[in-house]
Amino acid sequence: AQKVTQAQTEISVVEKEDVTLDCVYETRDTTYYLFWYKQPPSGELVFLIRRNSFDEQNEISGRYSWNFQKSTSSFNFTITASQVVDSAVYFCALSEANYGQNFVFGPGTRLSVLP
Amino acid sequence: DTGVSQDPRHKITKRGQNVTFRCDPISEHNRLYWYRQTLGQGPEFLTYFQNEAQLEKSRLLSDRFSAERPKGSFSTLEIQRTEQGDSAMYLCASSERGGDEAFFGQGTRLTVV
Repeated sequence: AQKVTQAQTEISVVEKEDVTLDCVYETRDTTYYLFWYKQPPSGELVFLIRRNSFDEQNEISGRYSWNFQKSTSSFNFTITASQVVDSAVYFCALSEANYGQNFVFGPGTRLSVLP
Repeated sequence: DTGVSQDPRHKITKRGQNVTFRCDPISEHNRLYWYRQTLGQGPEFLTYFQNEAQLEKSRLLSDRFSAERPKGSFSTLEIQRTEQGDSAMYLCASSERGGDEAFFGQGTRLTVV
């Protein structure tokens, strides 16, 4: 069955620190998609990144980077030089291609960036 | 393209009443999803549509819940005989195809008193 685990419930860092949010997933499918979403205090879920299971290349977008490792079923998210505006709840999600195509979300990690 | 819109944004209702929420997806998106989110939790899947066909329903979706997407465009989610446990944020999302990222609306916050 599908499952997404985000073991870090809450993280607090001081501005300009780097922070990594962990995500571990379980799936029975060979083709699947992984996502990260940000939910700021306003409440709307904002899409950040999508990776498919065949593409293990790490990705960098500005201060954001993602490390996808199939061997450990992990899809971790790093924010470099964090800013106060990064404060939000971050969700990792999984969608299987062949066994139900909805999104399964992890419980989220609340990130607080202090000035 | 104005994104996914949901109406109403907030709804307060008395226990036992029926409520209906509407979702307008991004116009070219074939897939439409409903999720429920309670405080401190991640979104939980309720159901999804491919065009007008409802392809999957979660076990969370009791008989009191029904969703429709009659013309493959907007969707409605109805909750009959509301209970206090139904209080949550109801989120709608749409995507172009399976496997694509989903774009979420701002949600409808339901409070059952």
